[in-house]
Parts: sequence; structure tokens; C-alpha cells
Amino acid sequence: DGGITQSPKYLFRKEGQNVTLSCEQNLNHDAMYWYRQDPGQGLRLIYYSQIVNDFQKGDIAEGYSVSREKKESFPLTVTSAQKNPTAFYLCASSTGQGWSEQYFGPGTRLTVT
Amino acid sequence: GQSLEQPSEVTAVEGAIVQINCTYQTSGFYGLSWYQQHDGGAPTFLSYNALDGLEETGRFSSFLSRSDSYGYLLLQELQMKDSASYFCAVKAGTALIFGKGTTLSVSS
Repeated sequence: DGGITQSPKYLFRKEGQNVTLSCEQNLNHDAMYWYRQDPGQGLRLIYYSQIVNDFQKGDIAEGYSVSREKKESFPLTVTSAQKNPTAFYLCASSTGQGWSEQYFGPGTRLTVT
Repeated sequence: GQSLEQPSEVTAVEGAIVQINCTYQTSGFYGLSWYQQHDGGAPTFLSYNALDGLEETGRFSSFLSRSDSYGYLLLQELQMKDSASYFCAVKAGTALIFGKGTTLSVSS
């Protein structure tokens, strides 16, 4: 079955540690996105990539980094510079210009204490 | 700045019709999308409007008026499983902006 996978579903880290969230898709989509969702809030765009080896900052990129070495993979690193990292992180993908219809993974709930 | 406004909560009973409004203030507007998210789950795409008018997909319809910077999602024949959060989203320039979501509660 085609889809997007994110792992792990729950992640716990201590303050000061970097952590990498995995996102893999087998939909053959060109574009991939990372969002952050806080309780009672909408999704906020962290980074997006429209093609391999290229990515752009979204609205809240500070304290995060990404890479896009393969079409299928778009990992997100939450660095120790991110002041409030505890959140629900969602990865999505779409066809090249199909930003309007995005397919989301199940999300990773990160808790930093 | 750029913003989307939608009601925070809507309640309805099974079988009823409900409308969730979305007003936006953006530059370089391309279109309006709607997503559904069940509690703790992933958002799923419902519909997209690039042009004025009504788009119908089964029990769900979506409307856009570009001149009024306004759109809505219409849900008909409500079912308990429609209880979820509904988000409108717009692309303005290179940014994709989501509203804060409307929580729909359907009761029997």
C-alpha cells in the first residue's frame, strides 16, 4: 500500500538533546512538508521541499533542520535551539504542484522535558 | 499580515446540515483547501476551490467567493463519525497557511 510513514509515534527527550524525526513516503511525490501542531491550534509549516536536494524554510523554521537526499525521505531534526519543542509533528507529501491536496503521515508526538 | 478565521466550535445532531465558514486575509491567493482531522490522527484532504462557486463531493460541499475572501464547508446528512476538527488552508505566495480549526461535535 502507498502512503507516508512517520516513526516513532511517541518520542521522549531531555532538554538540550537534538532529535531526528523520520518521514518516508512511497507515493512517488515530489514535494514533502513538515508541520507542527500545538493543542487547539492549526498546522504551522516548518520546512518544505519541492525536489530532491532542495528545501525552503516555512513560517517557523528556527531551531529545526531538514535534509532531502532521497525523494522518499525527508527527516526533520529538532535541535536544542528550538525553545518549545514539545508538539505533534506531521509530515505530508504532494505531487509537484499539488500543494492543495496533501497526504499526511500519522504524526510523531514529541515530548521534551 | 496573513490570517484565516474560522469558528472554534460547532455542534449539530445526526442527520442535520452544518456550515463551517472561513474568512481569509492573504496576499497572492491561489485557492482554499479543507482538511478533516480526527482526534490524535492525521489530517485528510476533503476539497479544494480555486475558482468561485460550489464544489460537491458526496455529503461534503465547499464554496469559495474570492471577492469576499470567504469560503465555507457544508456537511450534509451528518453522522457521528463526522465529529472531528476541520481546517481551512490557503496558499499565499510560498506559504501554506492553516486556520486554527473548527471542532464539530455531532450528537444523536
